Amino acid sequence: EPEVTQTPSHQVTQMGQEVILRCVPISNHLYFYWYRQILGQKVEFLVSFYNNEISEKSEIFDDQFSVERPDGSNFTLKIRSTKLEDSAMYFCASSEGTVTNEKLFFGSGTQLSVL
Amino acid sequence: RKEVEQDPGPFNVPEGATVAFNCTYSNSASQSFFWYRQDCRKEPKLLMSVYSSGNEDGRFTAQLNRASQYISLLIRDSKLSDSATYLCVGYGGSQGNLIFGKGTKLSVKP
Repeated sequence: EPEVTQTPSHQVTQMGQEVILRCVPISNHLYFYWYRQILGQKVEFLVSFYNNEISEKSEIFDDQFSVERPDGSNFTLKIRSTKLEDSAMYFCASSEGTVTNEKLFFGSGTQLSVL
Repeated sequence: RKEVEQDPGPFNVPEGATVAFNCTYSNSASQSFFWYRQDCRKEPKLLMSVYSSGNEDGRFTAQLNRASQYISLLIRDSKLSDSATYLCVGYGGSQGNLIFGKGTKLSVKP
């Protein structure tokens, strides 16, 4: 089965530093997403991206967050100035079509620890 | 506000048992529902979609009751490999905005 690939698997950073989480969605997929899961909590939607622009974002996705598709294969999430509460597992996902019609494939996640 | 609520469990059952999980949602405008499975510290994986008519996939049966705003998952003949957290998920009506429940933990014992 095709996979969504995320790097790194673990990222440790100091509070206030910028981090970039990287994802390679499945090659023929058109819709890309970031979700996060704080330890012991729900999986939470951050942002969806289609046709090179954000199509939807949650209230978590504030000005500290940005996403980019810098080339034909990568999809990145940048956190400009990390806070302690940004510590979480960040999941990238992609789908071929809209989420009601097509399966969402999740990557294995990047565990971000902000110290 | 759209929310999905689940009993966190844990449900501890012997192999071969039948177990049922329930989930309620707070916004009747939610269009679609899914059950995902999540193993410890891993990504969620789609188990099955949930339809009003009910749907079955092998040992798994999912049901949606829109009138009661209630979703269920039945697992028959539990296997050790079914041990995981089961996430009830609604679709919020916006692209990509899946709304996850906190999950119900299942532990199947030999």
